[in-house]
Amino acid sequence: DTEVTQTPKHLVMGMTNKKSLKCEQHMGHRAMYWYKQKAKKPPELMFVYSYEKLSINESVPSRFSPECPNSSLLNLHLHALQPEDSALYLCASSQVSNQETQYFGPGTRLLVL
Amino acid sequence: RKEVEQDPGPFNVPEGATVAFNCTYSNSASQSFFWYRQDCRKEPKLLMSVYSSGNEDGRFTAQLNRASQYISLLIRDSKLSDSATYLCVVNGRGNTPLVFGKGTRLSVIA
Repeated sequence: DTEVTQTPKHLVMGMTNKKSLKCEQHMGHRAMYWYKQKAKKPPELMFVYSYEKLSINESVPSRFSPECPNSSLLNLHLHALQPEDSALYLCASSQVSNQETQYFGPGTRLLVL
Repeated sequence: RKEVEQDPGPFNVPEGATVAFNCTYSNSASQSFFWYRQDCRKEPKLLMSVYSSGNEDGRFTAQLNRASQYISLLIRDSKLSDSATYLCVVNGRGNTPLVFGKGTRLSVIA
């Protein structure tokens, strides 16, 4: 089963709201990722977790706060976002290394008003 | 030179045609190469990994040329359902994760 699930599928939030995106995988993968994707652009890496520890933060603004409660779950906490943060947020996982095949969830489509 | 470069297309081909995409990469130490497919408003899905000796999966053939630092994807007998964006993905410099090309858009027309 190569399934990564994400909730919610769609999210609309105001600039003063606090919300969280959730990602889950049960493949026993130890590397998990958050990507942001704007229309007609490739996915842009935000964070990498390896063995539940943050290993890469691609200079993402602090209004995005990742969390890895356990090896199956990855959250992205959102606070005081800007309209330009509207995008598709993709979660992915890979077995161990951050250079292996990554399996993507369906994404959360976020609109910031 | 960008780490991974692809022709953005679009490639508009009739059903049954053969179409090929190339992708060049800048890191000569790269070891992992993939083609992903992304449909409109969906997530990227692995199409195939690319191996040194080249590999085939049905109508799809992937090749790696290390000397010239490019990978290719050949699609034979194109179907309408092949219409998508094809992303070339290569492992990055040092310990950085996979790097995505900007994608090549394919439209197969009836």
